[in-house]
Amino acid sequence: QQPVQSPQAVILREGEDAVINCSSSKALYSVHWYRQKHGEAPVFLMILLKGGEQKGHEKISASFNEKKQQSSLYLTASQLSYSGTYFCGTEAMDSNYQLIWGAGTKLIIKP
Amino acid sequence: GAVVSQHPSWVICKSGTSVKIECRSLDFQATTMFWYRQFPKQSLMLMATSNEGSKATYEQGVEKDKFLINHASLTLSTLTVTSAHPEDSSFYICSARVFGQPQHFGDGTRLSIL
Repeated sequence: QQPVQSPQAVILREGEDAVINCSSSKALYSVHWYRQKHGEAPVFLMILLKGGEQKGHEKISASFNEKKQQSSLYLTASQLSYSGTYFCGTEAMDSNYQLIWGAGTKLIIKP
Repeated sequence: GAVVSQHPSWVICKSGTSVKIECRSLDFQATTMFWYRQFPKQSLMLMATSNEGSKATYEQGVEKDKFLINHASLTLSTLTVTSAHPEDSSFYICSARVFGQPQHFGDGTRLSIL
């Protein structure tokens, strides 16, 4: 079952913050976050494993709430280069190595 | 590290032609390789999962005879679009991974069938 991402799209001004959410109805082993720019392959951002964790860099970070089967991606003081479509991929306990992708969140950063 | 090479990056060919796309993991041995298809403004759609030395597992609605997958080694998988038609035009992306690690994507192949 496809994880649900929200919002579907967001427009920000450079320097503003954004939060993208990803929720699943299945018990998850991991959540993966990727960013894809138009016409390019997805680029890996980070992976969060069960046990509940938070990780990332100073301006791009994520959390994984294992109990709620939810993950959130935090973009702080956004830069123009952050524009793109963000996908979460969830790996369930019974996933057979597959990642199930959310529909994506389109992020547009304006100067 | 963890580089996946996909070739070719762009193909334009006539209807009825068969097209082969290669996916190689350059610096690691992949447990599994995946083939995706992506239409404009849509998410990645998994076509098939491929383990080395075994038959690929196709997703529902994906024609096995149309999209032939061969996984010859731990570092190479190929997708052949047989007798391609305009409706097969799309962006095809492969990925490779080791369990518990991220999926690493190739750069994708843009296929245009005239």
